[in-house]
Amino acid sequence: DQQVKQNSPSLSVQEGRISILNCDYTNSMFDYFLWYKKYPAEGPTFLISISSIKDKNEDGRFTVFLNKSAKHLSLHIVPSQPGDSAVYFCAATTTSGGSNYKLTFGKGTLLTVNP
Amino acid sequence: DAGVTQSPTHLIKTRGQHVTLRCSPISGHKSVSWYQQVLGQGPQFIFQYYEKEERGRGNFPDRFSARQFPNYSSELNVNALLLGDSALYLCASSSARGWNQPQHFGDGTRLSIL
Repeated sequence: DQQVKQNSPSLSVQEGRISILNCDYTNSMFDYFLWYKKYPAEGPTFLISISSIKDKNEDGRFTVFLNKSAKHLSLHIVPSQPGDSAVYFCAATTTSGGSNYKLTFGKGTLLTVNP
Repeated sequence: DAGVTQSPTHLIKTRGQHVTLRCSPISGHKSVSWYQQVLGQGPQFIFQYYEKEERGRGNFPDRFSARQFPNYSSELNVNALLLGDSALYLCASSSARGWNQPQHFGDGTRLSIL
């Protein structure tokens, strides 16, 4: 039962363009969401997060949008750079304890930014 | 500052053996969590330890156990290894117990079961 879904295994964009990575969740208890980036042979690196009390959070070239009614979030990277090529994981958690009090990850999306 | 360090980097074991993986958190971090990542999947939560006590456990069998030491380093133990235990095992540390704190991951231990 995949509670966090990243339905696109891969995405390819041109340098300078926008990259949009999508994530859907099914568990309505989730109220905090994070994006991680992973290069080969390295551990995941935290990128950006968003609380369910917000619908947008921005950090430099990275913006995360949250649509709670649709249980959908997206990560926008503008402009995309070749160094952004990596696997991007969406993760979700609840801040209120219980069995969902952990990080639940999606399967990841491989982003390739072509020069 | 040193990041999260894990040892060993790679390990090969046979079915039925046991294994111990080690993790040193970032200095000052009291929370350590363990994840299993199999090929093509995202990391799956195994355990969280905070202040040397187990604070969370994922959906893994009792063959998996862990502990945290007074210096906040941690060990993950897996007994009676199965072929399906082959995976990348990731350790992450954070400054607080809550999951809304960014987790800082190590580069993992690649475990192969023959």
